[in-house]
Amino acid sequence: DGGITQSPKYLFRKEGQNVTLSCEQNLNHDAMYWYRQDPGQGLRLIYYSQIVNDFQKGDIAEGYSVSREKKESFPLTVTSAQKNPTAFYLCASSIAPGQGSDTQYFGPGTRLTVL
Amino acid sequence: GENVEQHPSTLSVQEGDSAVIKCTYSDSASNYFPWYKQELGKRPQLIIDIRSNVGEKKDQRIAVTLNKTAKHFSLHITETQPEDSAVYFCAASGSYQLTFGKGTKLSVIP
Repeated sequence: DGGITQSPKYLFRKEGQNVTLSCEQNLNHDAMYWYRQDPGQGLRLIYYSQIVNDFQKGDIAEGYSVSREKKESFPLTVTSAQKNPTAFYLCASSIAPGQGSDTQYFGPGTRLTVL
Repeated sequence: GENVEQHPSTLSVQEGDSAVIKCTYSDSASNYFPWYKQELGKRPQLIIDIRSNVGEKKDQRIAVTLNKTAKHFSLHITETQPEDSAVYFCAASGSYQLTFGKGTKLSVIP
């Protein structure tokens, strides 16, 4: 998991603003994921991507968007349509989903606060 | 979709005692069950995992058991130490997604 980086560590957003969270991995993993974590809750899947130029919605995709133009990068944009974006955001990657290598490794997270 | 229930939500044990955390899942197609440990403000870290073709797996003080018929799996930590204090998450995966339980906050009292 040391090969996954997220930036920034802390992010403050004003209401009505879009913000983009960065996630980069140098593990040569095909699959990447974005999760949201709220206090006392488990991790909820926002979006995932199994391969470059392809991604799917998770359980709570509304108000978020992603892109996967490069294998090593999977940025998440939190749009103004997301009504309650204050949370801890975690990016993860795995070698190749659905092929017996499902282990996901997490980045250090970005804590987003709406002012 | 998959639903994972985790119990208890909080657990306090004396140092040296054992701790057990239990999870149930709903999708019989799930075949991969990892456990993650998360310290405050840090990333979740994989501590052990088990696949559906195995009933039990052990790594030093940590063990996981899986009952596919009953659709439940458990984490066992023996000889607990203060550094075991953290939040533990179970998860289940049948295809491309991991579904997580809501976590158990374990406190080991010295």
